[in-house]
Amino acid sequence: DIQMTQSPSSLSASVGDRVTITCRANQSISGYLNWYQQKPGKAPDLLIYSASRLQNGVPSRFSGSESGTDFTLAISSLQPEDFANYYCQQSYIPPYTFGQGTKLDIK
Amino acid sequence: QLQLQESGPGLVKPSQTLSLTCTVSGGPVSSAAYFWNWIRQHPEKGLEWIGYIHFTGNTYYNPSLKSRLTISVDTSKNQFYLNLNSVTAADTAVYYCATRGIALAGNSFQHWGQGTLVTVSS
Repeated sequence: DIQMTQSPSSLSASVGDRVTITCRANQSISGYLNWYQQKPGKAPDLLIYSASRLQNGVPSRFSGSESGTDFTLAISSLQPEDFANYYCQQSYIPPYTFGQGTKLDIK
Repeated sequence: QLQLQESGPGLVKPSQTLSLTCTVSGGPVSSAAYFWNWIRQHPEKGLEWIGYIHFTGNTYYNPSLKSRLTISVDTSKNQFYLNLNSVTAADTAVYYCATRGIALAGNSFQHWGQGTLVTVSS
């Protein structure tokens, strides 16, 4: 299985801050990396697919990038609705695996 | 816009079979464009992909669950199903059904059901 290592596991920030979350795959996944946002009691929502492509309807303050097997989710100016859990996921080969998640909360 | 809805018992006894249904609306489960997936999330934990089915019957299961798992589809009812046998407390989780497009949106999980909590307990 491809292992996805996500960091940090938790992050405190303020409204207006810029934050980044990273995800590392233990082998090449050819850019097949997706990011999801999950709020308490809800299903995950797709934010970014193919490392850097914004899903329809997702605000442009969210962005994704890749460098080899390292991937980054950035939120440029945190809004109150952005405080949630974030997961990366590789869709390169099954079994499809997720990072362990990052809890983003208000400082 | 595809919508998915999970249904099934919220409580299953140890050693029995966990059976869930995912009802699809807004499009046919016989669409060639999608794999139909099950994903679970243990309480306060991360996400685990369980497996998928295509309407042709093609399946792929997570090797960690393969020996206990069956995923099936009924195109006449626009539903697909999860059966996991010989359950233990470790199978207690929120179970989600989700779509994965074939060569769509980076093969990501685009559409999700709201999830259903299944507790394994006597």
